[in-house]
Amino acid sequence: EDKVVQSPLSLVVHEGDTVTLNCSYEVTNFRSLLWYKQEKKAPTFLFMLTSSGIEKKSGRLSSILDKKELFSILNITATQTGDSAIYLCAVERTSGTYKYIFGTGTRLKVLA
Amino acid sequence: NAGVTQTPKFQVLKTGQSMTLQCAQDMNHNSMYWYRQDPGMGLRLIYYSASEGTTDKGEVPNGYNVSRLNKREFSLRLESAAPSQTSVYFCASCRGNQPQHFGDGTRLSIL
Repeated sequence: EDKVVQSPLSLVVHEGDTVTLNCSYEVTNFRSLLWYKQEKKAPTFLFMLTSSGIEKKSGRLSSILDKKELFSILNITATQTGDSAIYLCAVERTSGTYKYIFGTGTRLKVLA
Repeated sequence: NAGVTQTPKFQVLKTGQSMTLQCAQDMNHNSMYWYRQDPGMGLRLIYYSASEGTTDKGEVPNGYNVSRLNKREFSLRLESAAPSQTSVYFCASCRGNQPQHFGDGTRLSIL
């Protein structure tokens, strides 16, 4: 059965710390891996990764995919209280009953 | 830009009541999705519609029905609400292999 596993489930850090969030997957017909940030309401898109080893970066956030070891990491440097959110990982499949499989998310809290 | 609009934002129902959650998108997306989000469970797909006129079951379809009314609108209906359907419901849409855009969610409580 296809699955996406995120770790840790929750994390508390202080402002200025660097955090690494993990997402591992066992999915047939892999197309891409996506990261979303969810604050109070709608998940908002961060990154889409399709190729191994190519880092995607946006400000203090970066992410990379390893298709051999079947995982991705999301790094946040110099964390701020505004980074507090649930970070969701999803894998898109090329075929199957439904396209997207989501992990349970990592809840990040950044303390001032 | 409105994006994906869900109504209502909150709803409380009694067991056995029925209701319809509405979703509309203004981005001309072909695909639309309904998810539920429960603590510790992540987002689970209820139903999706790859294009106007088609709908398919997702991971947890029991107790729900959907209607793709036109390209813009995709509604989710609970015919006889049960306490197990207490959840936050998200609608999403996308075009092709682009990332999904999500609505702000409907928080549904069933007593």
